[in-house]
Amino acid sequence: QQQVKQSPQSLIVQKGGISIINCAYENTAFDYFPWYQQFPGKGPALLIAIRPDVSEKKEGRFTISFNKSAKQFSLHIMDSQPGDSATYFCAASYYFIIQGAQKLVFGQGTRLTINP
Amino acid sequence: DAGVTQSPTHLIKTRGQHVTLRCSPISGHKSVSWYQQVLGQGPQFIFQYYEKEERGRGNFPDRFSARQFPNYSSELNVNALLLGDSALYLCASSRTYRSNEQFFGPGTRLTVL
Repeated sequence: QQQVKQSPQSLIVQKGGISIINCAYENTAFDYFPWYQQFPGKGPALLIAIRPDVSEKKEGRFTISFNKSAKQFSLHIMDSQPGDSATYFCAASYYFIIQGAQKLVFGQGTRLTINP
Repeated sequence: DAGVTQSPTHLIKTRGQHVTLRCSPISGHKSVSWYQQVLGQGPQFIFQYYEKEERGRGNFPDRFSARQFPNYSSELNVNALLLGDSALYLCASSRTYRSNEQFFGPGTRLTVL
């Protein structure tokens, strides 16, 4: 129930194309859904995030689409560039009342390669 | 503004040894969470600290412990190291223990031989 399932594991997109990464969850207690971008040897960087009362959020070339009834959300990268080549993680956050902690649960990651 | 800082960058230890990793959160942030990222996987929550108290713990043994100091910096300690403890250890900073936004540091790469 605490899992977030992410697909695909790897993705190759041509420069200028659209990259799409999908995630699914089960726990309805999740109340915040961020996406992180991670380059080799670096920590994850917060890219964009959405709350479950919103169906879409756009920031520049990055868009999150959220389907609350299906418990699915996705990241779309428009006009993908070689500099976007990185590993992307979806995540879901919930407040664990018993412990009094805000926990982030991550997907398995998608290695994105943008070919020039 | 400085982001989250962690030290050291890399560390090599042998089985059975003890290790201490350090983290300084973003200025104004009072909560620090620690995550373990094994190669090829997403980060796994270890625990969260706020106002020097442990607020929550993931599925990690008692060999993993931490503390938070009055300046909100934190240390992660791992005792009796196992080969399986080899990973990237990430520190995440947030304003309070209820904040959804967590900002990660560059991590400490721990190799256990």
